Amino acid sequence: QKEVEQNSGPLSVPEGAIASLNCTYSDRGSQSFFWYRQYSGKSPELIMSIYSNGDKEDGRFTAQLNKASQYVSLLIRDSQPSDSATYLCAVNLWSNFGNEKLTFGTGTRLTIIP
Amino acid sequence: DTEVTQTPKHLVMGMTNKKSLKCEQHMGHRAMYWYKQKAKKPPELMFVYSYEKLSINESVPSRFSPECPNSSLLNLHLHALQPEDSALYLCASSQLPTSGRSRWNEQFFGPGTRLTVL
Repeated sequence: QKEVEQNSGPLSVPEGAIASLNCTYSDRGSQSFFWYRQYSGKSPELIMSIYSNGDKEDGRFTAQLNKASQYVSLLIRDSQPSDSATYLCAVNLWSNFGNEKLTFGTGTRLTIIP
Repeated sequence: DTEVTQTPKHLVMGMTNKKSLKCEQHMGHRAMYWYKQKAKKPPELMFVYSYEKLSINESVPSRFSPECPNSSLLNLHLHALQPEDSALYLCASSQLPTSGRSRWNEQFFGPGTRLTVL
């Protein structure tokens, strides 16, 4: 089982619709969860952090966390063409060095269709 | 605007060259990271510095040599690289070091250095 799993897509969503991105993780003790957006040829940009079960909203973005199911998701409302990017789920997992390291999923490529 | 800067933006080097990548952060963070990212793959952790001390080395070949001169600066020295080392090299920083089961560790990335090894 991969440590952080995402559907690689591509995911195509019409402009104005809700885009839903999903992620599961293996370490039940993980406490910190992040979503990064990465445009082609650019570096990852942190868009959401979530630490507690439930929903966290920031503008058009909502992150959802369910630790019992080891599941984290990102909803993008009123999708815009500028949202077209690869979205990386990242989770703090326990490392062999006795501390945490940020582990990324393979990313979901999202395309918003005008 | 990113507060993590990296130089150079692009680097082309031969297999016998020695070069260095530089990273600087202006956020007062005490943890800094080097990642390597190949096309269509997620970032892959290489090194972690916490309070200017190397805390994680992800079994990276010795042709990559990190250095943290102070809490704001991070270098990656390159020597005798192979063509397969061509990638985007990303620097990141975070507020807290990666120790214990913290609820933080928001990492902020610089723009990266696109490295091509001929």
